[in-house]
Amino acid sequence: DAKTTQPTSMDCAEGRAANLPCNHSTISGNEYVYWYRQIHSQGPQYIIHGLKNNETNEMASLIITEDRKSSTLILPHATLRDTAVYYCIVRVGGGGFKTIFGAGTRLFVKA
Amino acid sequence: DTAVSQTPKYLVTQMGNDKSIKCEQNLGHDTMYWYKQDSKKFLKIMFSYNNKELIINETVPNRFSPKSPDKAHLNLHINSLELGDSAVYFCASSQAPGGATGELFFGEGSRLTVL
Repeated sequence: DAKTTQPTSMDCAEGRAANLPCNHSTISGNEYVYWYRQIHSQGPQYIIHGLKNNETNEMASLIITEDRKSSTLILPHATLRDTAVYYCIVRVGGGGFKTIFGAGTRLFVKA
Repeated sequence: DTAVSQTPKYLVTQMGNDKSIKCEQNLGHDTMYWYKQDSKKFLKIMFSYNNKELIINETVPNRFSPKSPDKAHLNLHINSLELGDSAVYFCASSQAPGGATGELFFGEGSRLTVL
C-alpha cells in the first residue's frame, strides 16, 4: 500500500471549513484514498473514500487532484465535536485487505 | 444496536495471566480484524479473518491467538500477559473482498492494563 504524508496537527475555528491535506505521491492506479477519524478514546470512524472523482457525503467532501498524488478532506462547517485525529489511507478497495494507519492529523476545532 | 461490540471495555490484570477479549458484529460482514493501539497512539493491524479463515497475520507474538467460531465473532486470547501488552485493542469488520467499499467498522475498544 502507498505511503501517505499528513501534517501533524491543524487548528480550525468553529463554523469554518476544515481542509485537511494528504500527500500520496506513490499511489497506484488501483488504490483508493480512504479517510477515517478517531475521536478521543473511541474507535476509528470511516468518513469517506474515493478513487479518482471528488466525493461528497453527509460528513465531508473529498477532493482528489487529477494526478491523484494528493487529496484534501473538507469538513464544511467544523464543530467542536470534529476535534479528532484524521487518518488518510491509500489501499486497494474491498474488505480483507490491510488498512494501515499512519500518525494522522490532529485537528483542533476552537470556539 | 451496536454494530461491532467488544467485551470487556476495561481489563486490568497481572503479568503472567491469560485473558480473552471478545468481539461480535451484527453487520453481516465476512471479514473481521484485530488492531492494537499502544500508548503512542499508533494503530497496528494484528490479525484478520475472512469467513472464519485467517487471512492476515502480522508479526505478533504467538502468545496472541485469535479464534473465530463463526463469521460474526472474532475473539482474541492472550497468554502469559506482559507489561508491553498494555494497550487498547480494537475489533473491526468489513465487507468481503471484491467490493469497492471495504470500509472498516470499529468497536469501541478494550483497554487492557497489565500490572
